[in-house]
Amino acid sequence: QLQLQESGPGLVKPSETLSLTCTVSGDSISSSSYYWGWIRQPPGKGLEWIGSLHYDGNTDYNPSLGSRVTISVDTSRTQFSLRLSSVTGADTAVYYCARLLSTGIYGRGFFDYWGQGTLVTVSS
Amino acid sequence: DIVMTQSPDSLAVSLGERATINCKSSQSVLYSSDNRNYFGWYQQKPGQPPKLLIKWASIREFGVPDRFSGSGSGTDFTLTITSLQAEDVAVYYCQQYYSVPLTFGQGTKVEIK
Repeated sequence: QLQLQESGPGLVKPSETLSLTCTVSGDSISSSSYYWGWIRQPPGKGLEWIGSLHYDGNTDYNPSLGSRVTISVDTSRTQFSLRLSSVTGADTAVYYCARLLSTGIYGRGFFDYWGQGTLVTVSS
Repeated sequence: DIVMTQSPDSLAVSLGERATINCKSSQSVLYSSDNRNYFGWYQQKPGQPPKLLIKWASIREFGVPDRFSGSGSGTDFTLTITSLQAEDVAVYYCQQYYSVPLTFGQGTKVEIK
């Protein structure tokens, strides 16, 4: 059974970089059928797609986040990471990692497995 | 970006009654080359991550009760819960995967009347 688990600091200071890791167990990141993504949810609000990554290194990012976001996969192919720079209070949210089942069209798909999420608060 | 707009924002339904949630996309999510709607529905219960209910607009994910059904095409979609159960209290989100950025609706909260 596939499991995803987010980890990282729960508190980040404004202007610093948010860094989270998603550990994948029960499956390999190295499958052409899947992308691996990050989605966030501010407290009491809706879902925002941050970006997705394919094991071959191809990435898609939400333009609303500009150049602040980087998603990468580690060489062990069991973890992928999110970095979000220059954070502000607007970046306070529960951050989810999830598996995206590809439709066969680059980067397009739906999220069929999710981690439990981790709350990141941006505050000094 | 494709904007997804759900209606209503919330609804209260009696146990055993029907709940209907609508989602409208700002442009068609029907892909002409395969005639499929790149559209899905998720359920999020309090304190839990979203759970995929419906993919391709009308195909239930494995294990999802058949009281959940999805319909629609192009820009207008509906999630129907026939015979609402107490465990269906949740926020429901639609999502398009026709184009990047992937986008979600704002959510519809379903409660028991």
